[in-house]
Amino acid sequence: ILNVEQSPQSLHVQEGDSTNFTCSFPSSNFYALHWYRWETAKSPEALFVMTLNGDEKKKGRISATLNTKEGYSYLYIKGSQPEDSATYLCASSNYGQNFVFGPGTRLSVLP
Amino acid sequence: NAGVTQTPKFQVLKTGQSMTLQCAQDMNHNSMYWYRQDPGMGLRLIYYSASEGTTDKGEVPNGYNVSRLNKREFSLRLESAAPSQTSVYFCASFGIEQFFGPGTRLTVL
Repeated sequence: ILNVEQSPQSLHVQEGDSTNFTCSFPSSNFYALHWYRWETAKSPEALFVMTLNGDEKKKGRISATLNTKEGYSYLYIKGSQPEDSATYLCASSNYGQNFVFGPGTRLSVLP
Repeated sequence: NAGVTQTPKFQVLKTGQSMTLQCAQDMNHNSMYWYRQDPGMGLRLIYYSASEGTTDKGEVPNGYNVSRLNKREFSLRLESAAPSQTSVYFCASFGIEQFFGPGTRLTVL
């Protein structure tokens, strides 16, 4: 069973600050790394899927990078806004399409 | 498109009762999943089905059974509910991205 870890566990930033989180995952049998945004009382929503070492994805003020050789991914938020407050999950999937999620990073953006 | 739908949204059971959680997707995805979400534990995979006719155990399968009825539907059954199965259950399907249903909040007394 894969073990996916995320840090920090929680984070409080001021509106306008930029921030980043880390997701680490085992490299063995790796197929893809997934990032999700999860607002309270809602379902997780997919942000990015990355498969290749060096992949970079961007959606608005949010971007992500992937390093499969060392087994980590970063999620960046530029100019945080209160509506960015959510839990950010990462998950690693293998070729058998088994997903393992990390525990998440809870972000609070203070106005 | 409705995406991923789950029923029921809420359920209260007594210890020992059985129930089936229903899930359906209309995105023609091959893969479907059942997760449970507990405070401080994130999402943990119970069972998944990589294609119609196949099912595989995830991280926490004990006490559950699943049925991939057809490509659209994937059900989760609790044969004899226990208080430890109190949780929020999410169904998901996967094509290029994973899409989640709205969740079922289950309480076992």
